[in-house]
Order: sequence, then C-alpha cells, then structure tokens
Amino acid sequence: TQLLEQSPQFLSIQEGENLTVYCNSSSVFSSLQWYRQEPGEGPVLLVTVVTGGEVKKLKRLTFQFGDARKDSSLHITAAQPGDTGLYLCAGRYNFNKFYFGSGTKLNVKP
Amino acid sequence: DAGVIQSPRHEVTEMGQEVTLRCKPISGHNSLFWYRQTMMRGLELLIYFNNNVPIDDSGMPEDRFSAKMPNASFSTLKIQPSEPRDSAVYFCASSLGGLLYEQYFGPGTRLTVT
Repeated sequence: TQLLEQSPQFLSIQEGENLTVYCNSSSVFSSLQWYRQEPGEGPVLLVTVVTGGEVKKLKRLTFQFGDARKDSSLHITAAQPGDTGLYLCAGRYNFNKFYFGSGTKLNVKP
Repeated sequence: DAGVIQSPRHEVTEMGQEVTLRCKPISGHNSLFWYRQTMMRGLELLIYFNNNVPIDDSGMPEDRFSAKMPNASFSTLKIQPSEPRDSAVYFCASSLGGLLYEQYFGPGTRLTVT
C-alpha cells in the first residue's frame, strides 16, 4: 500500500489541453515536493510547498497544497509535448521520513 | 558542476554475485540518499547520510544490502548476495542539508540480476 496515492496513473492528452494530477494521503506532511522524471534520468525537483493552502506557479504549472497538508495537486495549462514525463509527488513526515508517490505518467501528443 | 555521478550505468549479474554501486555527490553537499525504483513499488528511499553518517536506514530491504560513505565525496551501495528481485534502477541523490532541501539525482544504475 502506497502512503501517497497519485491519480491518475496514466494520462494521454493532446497538445494544448489542460490537466490536473492529484497526490493524496491520510497523513499530514510537513512539506511536499513535486518532481518530473524523464526516461533514463533521475527525477528533477519542480517545487516544494510547506504551508497549508499554499499555491505556487511555475510558468504553466500551478501547484496547490491542501489546507490540511494531506493532499496536493499539480495543474498544467496548455500542455506541450515537452511536458511529457513521469510526475512524482514526495512527502516529508516527521524529521527524516520521506516517501514518493506512485507517479503519474503523462504523454502529451503533438 | 558535473552533478551527481553514478557508476556503473548498467550492471548485469548472476544471482548470488556481489554487486557494488558507486556514487559521487555534488561537491559541497552534505547529505546523500540512495533510492530504488521499480514498476511495482515506485521510488523508495533506502538510506540516507548526513555528514557521512547514516541517519535512517529503515528502508534497506534486508541484511544483504549495505551502504557506506567513507568520505564526503564517495558512497557505495552493496548487495551480497544478489537476487533476481533486486533488479531495479538505483538512484543516488545529494542535497545541501537533509530532506527539506532540494535533492539532486544522479542518472541511476540499472541493475539486472539473472
């Protein structure tokens, strides 16, 4: 059983469409990170959110941290083929516990 | 900066053999992490070091796995003896100071145990 559940697992959309990826847990995070991973490479950090209700924007990407700090979402506006990859959320619990979600594999078709 | 360096990039070995994976963190980073990624279990934190000292090894699957960090610029993850279920991509990452800081991942080592 994954401590962090991500949905959907797979997403295939056309260029220009919008999408939202979700990351949920029954536990409270002290902080949460989103990563993007391309085939054959390690994950690359996109954002870190710490405060409940926090919203961060990174160009066409919007990250939201739930008020209770148990869930998070990543919204991409006008997706492009370059957004294709595996999106991972990662939550930090207590001082030194850190778990990754199962991931959402996104494919943006031109 | 060269980033996190891992070697080898690919390793194919037979069951029962010893496997050693190597990692060189980014210079100046004082935390180092070892992860394992599989389709079934996703990305799992195995162990992490802070200032060369193991802080949490609760993710290490069993006694066959061991990790060392003899100095600030080098770490190894050893599997002895290896089993087919150890087949996975193993990532090393480093950061400036623990889990709150950005972790920079290496390219990974793809291990296949036959």
